[in-house]
Amino acid sequence: AQTVTQSQPEMSVQEAETVTLSCTYDTSENNYYLFWYKQPPSRQMILVIRQEAYKQQNATENRFSVNFQKAAKSFSLKISDSQLGDTAMYFCAFIPYSGAGSYQLTFGKGTKLSVIP
Amino acid sequence: ETGVTQTPRHLVMGMTNKKSLKCEQHLGHNAMYWYKQSAKKPLELMFVYSLEERVENNSVPSRFSPECPNSSHLFLHLHTLQPEDSALYLCASSGIKDTQYFGPGTRLTVL
Repeated sequence: AQTVTQSQPEMSVQEAETVTLSCTYDTSENNYYLFWYKQPPSRQMILVIRQEAYKQQNATENRFSVNFQKAAKSFSLKISDSQLGDTAMYFCAFIPYSGAGSYQLTFGKGTKLSVIP
Repeated sequence: ETGVTQTPRHLVMGMTNKKSLKCEQHLGHNAMYWYKQSAKKPLELMFVYSLEERVENNSVPSRFSPECPNSSHLFLHLHTLQPEDSALYLCASSGIKDTQYFGPGTRLTVL
């Protein structure tokens, strides 16, 4: 079974600063996907960024980037130039690429990020 | 409407009521999902449909009954629920073994 751990229940950052959210996971799979999702107070879950485990290059999407360390099973999210609209719950999630669990996203408990003006 | 839509957005029901949640996806996906999101708990996968066939049912009580009439629509039929079933119910869709995209959710309160 897969597990995803987000060790920071809450974080805050000043507007325009950089913040890093941590995520570790445990799996015996070799091929899988990792995701960061964002859920603002309006509650729609939005995909932030996706990483394929077979790719060594870290994924980036504008101000969002990840630090993927496969051997350490670590997948942190860096948000640069934080904006007020980044205030949300952030969820790290894992899904195996194949096998019986390949439809099941395993989520962490989330990190509540507050961007302070 | 684009993406994944859900209706109603809010629902209050008694324990003896029967109600249904509706999800519709406009993304051309082949798989659809129901999740339950409770306070201070990770999202829980309830049901998965791929190509309109149920492929996963994560030990969900029979008072929750899913229906997937086609690849664009997914329903969750509710009957004789308990107060502990109060939660946010999220629908998602994806291509086969691909990224899941979520709807806005239905906030369910069971009295």
